[in-house]
Amino acid sequence: NAGVMQNPRHLVRRRGQEARLRCSPMKGHSHVYWYRQLPEEGLKFMVYLQKENIIDESGMPKERFSAEFPKEGPSILRIQQVVRGDSAAYFCASSPRTGTTNTGELFFGEGSRLTVL
Amino acid sequence: AQSVAQPEDQVNVAEGNPLTVKCTYSVSGNPYLFWYVQYPNRGLQFLLKYITGDNLVKGSYGFEAEFNKSQTSFHLKKPSALVSDSALYFCAVRELRTDSNYQLIWGAGTKLIIKP
Repeated sequence: NAGVMQNPRHLVRRRGQEARLRCSPMKGHSHVYWYRQLPEEGLKFMVYLQKENIIDESGMPKERFSAEFPKEGPSILRIQQVVRGDSAAYFCASSPRTGTTNTGELFFGEGSRLTVL
Repeated sequence: AQSVAQPEDQVNVAEGNPLTVKCTYSVSGNPYLFWYVQYPNRGLQFLLKYITGDNLVKGSYGFEAEFNKSQTSFHLKKPSALVSDSALYFCAVRELRTDSNYQLIWGAGTKLIIKP
């Protein structure tokens, strides 16, 4: 999983500021997933993207959160007007393009830990 | 819809003893099953997967998992636990969506504590 790069690893924001989290998938991977994790808890799915396309955003809060995966550059998870409840670890995972040869394994980054003061 | 259950929030095992972390699933069709491990302040690491073939799957760090179709289970096992195995373990099943896109459906995780 060393190939999925997330930055920043740690981010501190004050309430009302914006947080931008970046994810560069493994080379050759065109699918990106974002998850949120609270301490000692499981993964909560947020959004699933392909290049220039959102496949599934059913886990994204309706307000303040957005995600993109442009043709060039990393995927970005953006949180506007952060609140204390947004404090969590945000993980990105990538996978190759889908198809019958793809077994479904995901490759994870080390996460970005957001702290809202 | 597919689902995965990890019935134990925490499992405690003495070092050197065998360990089992339980996972049961509900899927339509043939399941693609996965185990991942998460060490403190790290991302998830792939341990092993079952796609087809032998019911006993061997993975990283000496772990193995047994696929049991009749019991719809995919328990993670290791013959002799190490203190360094202490971590959070997640079971997952692949869910195929439309247009060949898929997601992994995750269990809630089981905290494994190995005591010296």
